[in-house]
Amino acid sequence: ETGVTQSPTHLIKTRGQQVTLRCSSQSGHNTVSWYQQALGQGPQFIFQYYREEENGRGNFPPRFSGLQFPNYSSELNVNALELDDSALYLCASSLGARQDTQYFGPGTRLTVL
Amino acid sequence: QKEVEQDPGPLSVPEGAIVSLNCTYSNSAFQYFMWYRQYSRKGPELLMYTYSSGNKEDGRFTAQVDKSSKYISLFIRDSQPSDSATYLCAMSAKGIRIGTSYGKLTFGQGTILTVHP
Repeated sequence: ETGVTQSPTHLIKTRGQQVTLRCSSQSGHNTVSWYQQALGQGPQFIFQYYREEENGRGNFPPRFSGLQFPNYSSELNVNALELDDSALYLCASSLGARQDTQYFGPGTRLTVL
Repeated sequence: QKEVEQDPGPLSVPEGAIVSLNCTYSNSAFQYFMWYRQYSRKGPELLMYTYSSGNKEDGRFTAQVDKSSKYISLFIRDSQPSDSATYLCAMSAKGIRIGTSYGKLTFGQGTILTVHP
C-alpha cells in the first residue's frame, strides 16, 4: 500500500455531464500528478500540481482541470464528458522533485455512456 | 511515432524462467527510467528506478539502461506466478524550471506477463 487514496472507486456518467475525482496524497508529499489510463494502454500525463500550483500539463483540453488544497489533497474535474473519457484515472504523489518516487493510488474507473 | 515503445505481448512463461522486458524511446532528454508493475484493477507499483545509463539489481529484478541505443530492459530471474501482471516502463526528463516537463512520466503501453506453474 502506498498511502495514496482515491475516491470514488467507480463512477458511471453520461455524455455532457461533469465529474470530480478526488485524491489524498501520501503523508508528507507536496506534489500530485494525474494520469489517464485507457484500457490496454499506459498512463497518459494530464497535469501536475506542486504546492497548490499547476506545474506542467499534458495534451489534454481545458475541460480537464484540477485543484490542489493546502493539505496537498487534490481534485480532477472533467467537464462536458465524452465517450473517450472512459478510462482509469490515477493520481500519484511525490515529494517535490523526486521523479523516481511517484506513488500511485488505486485509481478511479470512469465509464461514460 | 510514440516517444516510448513497448511490446504489449502478451508474454507467457513457465515458473522459474528468466523474463526479459524492454522498451525503446526517442526523446534524448529522458534521464530517469522506471519500471512499474500493475496488477489487474490496481494502480502501478514502482519496482525499479535508474538514473542515466547503467545497471541496477534488486533481488530477482535487474534493470538496464543503454542511453546510446535508447533502450531499457527489465530482467526477472526465477519468475513466480505472483509476478503475473502488466509491466510498464516509464521515463522522465530532468526539469529545468517550473512549467517544463518537470515531473511528467511518459509510459510505454505495458507488457502483459503470465507465469504459469
